[in-house]
Amino acid sequence: QSVLTQPPSASGTPGQRVTISCSGSSSNIGSNYVYWYQQLPGTAPKLLIYRNNQRPSGVPDRFSGSKSGTSASLAISGLRSEDEADYYCAAWDDSLSGRWVFGGGTKLTVL
Amino acid sequence: QVQLVQSGSELKKPGASVKVSCKASGYTFTSYAMNWVRQAPGQGLEWMGWINTNTGNPTYAQGFTGRFVFSLDTSVSTAYLQISSLKAEDTAVYYCARANGGNIPAHFDYWGQGTLVTVSS
Repeated sequence: QSVLTQPPSASGTPGQRVTISCSGSSSNIGSNYVYWYQQLPGTAPKLLIYRNNQRPSGVPDRFSGSKSGTSASLAISGLRSEDEADYYCAAWDDSLSGRWVFGGGTKLTVL
Repeated sequence: QVQLVQSGSELKKPGASVKVSCKASGYTFTSYAMNWVRQAPGQGLEWMGWINTNTGNPTYAQGFTGRFVFSLDTSVSTAYLQISSLKAEDTAVYYCARANGGNIPAHFDYWGQGTLVTVSS
């Protein structure tokens, strides 16, 4: 049971816009930044969004993040086949002396 | 460029120990903390804790105390994860991940390729 809640799956067709939600609580998303990681099949996770809505160098601007209260979202516009991957949200949680918590992951399928 | 290169897959019997290495390059090793993250087969990501690469002080997440040990060899810019008394449920891919922002448990900006540890009799 993950501390952050994500839908297990999402899908879209090429060119479409899809969003993935991430729900938490006041001790994590409500008081700290949200991060998003992309895990392509068989590879290590890669940082996609940091501090709610910032993109590391090299990440296309098709990817965007937002946060409101205790929830966050990742949006992918102009969907491409190479976006098919697992996406994880993460946040620092102030409970239990502090810890990183993740969502359970969302498998994105490009139809 | 920043690179984290981990040791290869391991097959161990229950009760044995394993040591996973994570060799860093492309930056000053002792300036950034190192996190460890576990991913069980078909499952999500789980934070195991972090180690201050300047002081060597480890911090373990709940559920990763006792059998799990983080260590360093700063002379070769390498972090280690040792797991003792292995159980079948320790079967997972273990990742090292650099903490962005110094020797604090900041978010993970670079990841190793992962090391699969399989525990089976």
